[in-house]
Amino acid sequence: QLQLQESGPGMVKPSETLSLTCTVSGSSVSSTSYYWGWIRQPPGKGLEWIGAIHYSAGSFYKSSLQSRLTISVDTSENQFSLKLGSVTAADTATYFCASYFYDNNVYADYWGQGTLVTVSS
Amino acid sequence: DIQMTQSPSSVSASVGDRVTITCRASQGIRSWLAWYQQKPGKAPKLLIYGASNLQVGVPSRFSGSGSGTDFTLTIRNLQPEDFATYYCQQADSFPFSFGGGTRVEI
Repeated sequence: QLQLQESGPGMVKPSETLSLTCTVSGSSVSSTSYYWGWIRQPPGKGLEWIGAIHYSAGSFYKSSLQSRLTISVDTSENQFSLKLGSVTAADTATYFCASYFYDNNVYADYWGQGTLVTVSS
Repeated sequence: DIQMTQSPSSVSASVGDRVTITCRASQGIRSWLAWYQQKPGKAPKLLIYGASNLQVGVPSRFSGSGSGTDFTLTIRNLQPEDFATYYCQQADSFPFSFGGGTRVEI
C-alpha cells in the first residue's frame, strides 16, 4: 500500500520560494503507472489542483501558476518536490501530495496528510 | 483549461436521506471524472473513479453516473459518517481541475 508524506517549512516569507517534498513508500516514483501530484487548499476553501509529474511524460502545471512552479522527481530518495516562487499571502494553504494511478482512467488513490504553509513576514 | 462546476454548494439532509450532487464540465471529459470525500482536517478520500466505478472499500450507498459534461454523485440512505464535503475532479486533460465542492450538512 502506498504511503505519502509531505515535509517542508511551515512558514515562508513573501517573495521567497516555497519548497515542499513528498516522500513515497510502497511504490517507486519512477513507476510509469503513476502521476505524482500536488493539490492545495487555502484555509476554509476548496481544493485546487496545482500540478503533477510523470517519470517519463514530464510535468504538468495549473496555467495560472506555471510561471512560478516547478515539480521534480528524485529517484534516489524516492521523492517528488514542489517549488513555488515569489509567494504571496494568497499561497497560504494546506498542501497535499497525492498519487494519481493511471490505467484506463486517472484518479488520486492515495494522499499525504497535508502540510500547512503560511506566507507571512 | 476545463472548468468544473458543482451544485449545490451545500445541502442540508438527515440520516436516511438520499442526496444528489451534480458536476458539470465546461467541455467533454468522457468518463474521466472522480469524486472525493473530505472531512475537516483530513485529506480527501477517493470514492468514485471513471465516473461510476466504486473505489475498493467504499460503501455501496455511494454511486456515480454520467459522461461527457454532466455527472452525478448519489448517496442513498445517508449515514452520520457521510456528513462531509464532496469534490469532483476531471482527469481528462491537463491541467486537472476540481469542482468547488458540496458540503453535506445536517
